[in-house]
Amino acid sequence: DIQMTQSPSTLSASVGDRVTITCRASQSVSVWLSWYQQKPGKAPNLLIYKASNLASGVPSRFSGSGSGTEFTLTINSLQPDDFATYYCQQFDGNSGGYTFGQGTTLDIK
Amino acid sequence: EVQLMESGGGLVQPGGSLRLSCAASGFTFKNYEMNWVRQAPGKGLEWVAYSSNVGGTIHYADSVKGRFTISRDNSKNSLYLQMNSLRAEDTAVYYCARADFGEFYFDHWGQGTLVTVSS
Repeated sequence: DIQMTQSPSTLSASVGDRVTITCRASQSVSVWLSWYQQKPGKAPNLLIYKASNLASGVPSRFSGSGSGTEFTLTINSLQPDDFATYYCQQFDGNSGGYTFGQGTTLDIK
Repeated sequence: EVQLMESGGGLVQPGGSLRLSCAASGFTFKNYEMNWVRQAPGKGLEWVAYSSNVGGTIHYADSVKGRFTISRDNSKNSLYLQMNSLRAEDTAVYYCARADFGEFYFDHWGQGTLVTVSS
């Protein structure tokens, strides 16, 4: 099975900052890497799909990049609404299953 | 508007069974692949099970294989998760999540239903 390593696990930042979260796969997942935002008590919300495509309705300050085994989620000019937990997710074509990263909690410095 | 509404959660004793349902509306259900994802209290997300759009292809996480069964009724726009031999570690909020045909990401999620396994 493909393992996902997401870092950092926590991140403290201020409004207006630029932050980057990284996700590494134990083997290539091509571009099948997605990013989700989750707020307490709520379902996750899709931000980025296929590594770099912005989901509908997601602000343009969010961006994704990477392919193969290393991927990044960047948030430019942090807004108060962005303080949440972020997860990466990959699809394993061999098993037909999915794996989420451990999550990154972004909190206010 | 796409809506996914889970139901059927509750308190069950270890070794017991529970059946979750996910009612879909606002889209052509039979055209979409569906998944169950869970989240234990204070923990991260864990994918549980997948069903192709007509239910012909199914996959499970190793942690639930042999105990859980995913199914769907496209005539009722509904997805199900039959959970047997429940364990304390199955305690979680269970979400149903939609994936477009041939795409490998979840573009809509339900609000979740809580399953608590405890004596």
